[in-house]
Amino acid sequence: DGGITQSPKYLFRKEGQNVTLSCEQNLNHDAMYWYRQDPGQGLRLIYYSQIVNDFQKGDIAEGYSVSREKKESFPLTVTSAQKNPTAFYLCASSPEGGRNEKLFFGSGTQLSVL
Amino acid sequence: AQSVAQPEDQVNVAEGNPLTVKCTYSVSGNPYLFWYVQYPNRGLQFLLKYITGDNLVKGSYGFEAEFNKSQTSFHLKKPSALVSDSALYFCAVRPPSGGYNKLIFGAGTRLAVHP
Repeated sequence: DGGITQSPKYLFRKEGQNVTLSCEQNLNHDAMYWYRQDPGQGLRLIYYSQIVNDFQKGDIAEGYSVSREKKESFPLTVTSAQKNPTAFYLCASSPEGGRNEKLFFGSGTQLSVL
Repeated sequence: AQSVAQPEDQVNVAEGNPLTVKCTYSVSGNPYLFWYVQYPNRGLQFLLKYITGDNLVKGSYGFEAEFNKSQTSFHLKKPSALVSDSALYFCAVRPPSGGYNKLIFGAGTRLAVHP
């Protein structure tokens, strides 16, 4: 999957619990993204980061938080405020300024609620 | 509102027959167009893109796509389908003025190729 590692592959969340999804890339890409995939829907952007120590909300950021302390890492926290967290979460990266470059995706994390 | 439509939830094709997966879009200007494929429990893989130039774009695994500006379509095609082509296919569009944070994905079309 192009040098992007997501872990864990499967994750279960209990009521009121925060959980963190890991995303690491060794592609030396500046930009990283988190998408949510629900059955029968396209991917929706949660958060993105174009450079270290900076990130922006996407279309569905409520109930999620991120950090970008290192270029290689972009973890996503699903907080207890996210009332419908069950989904497949995909992390992606791209070179900065590559307006016509393709996105590179990780293998995804399936999050389910216990 | 800008949008991408994949009108078929599923396409069924016999192995060896040609396949088409449809995509239409509603985006102002001259957008960038992409096709991605997703195998079960995996991330998306890039297939091909159209930025400018020849309307017929060739991509990975023998796939190609035809850009039609008047019909605002970008249909994915392959002359001879393989069983291993069975997967979920996503069309994506990016407005010319936007970065990847502006990428709009279709809902996906499941391709089933039967032996």
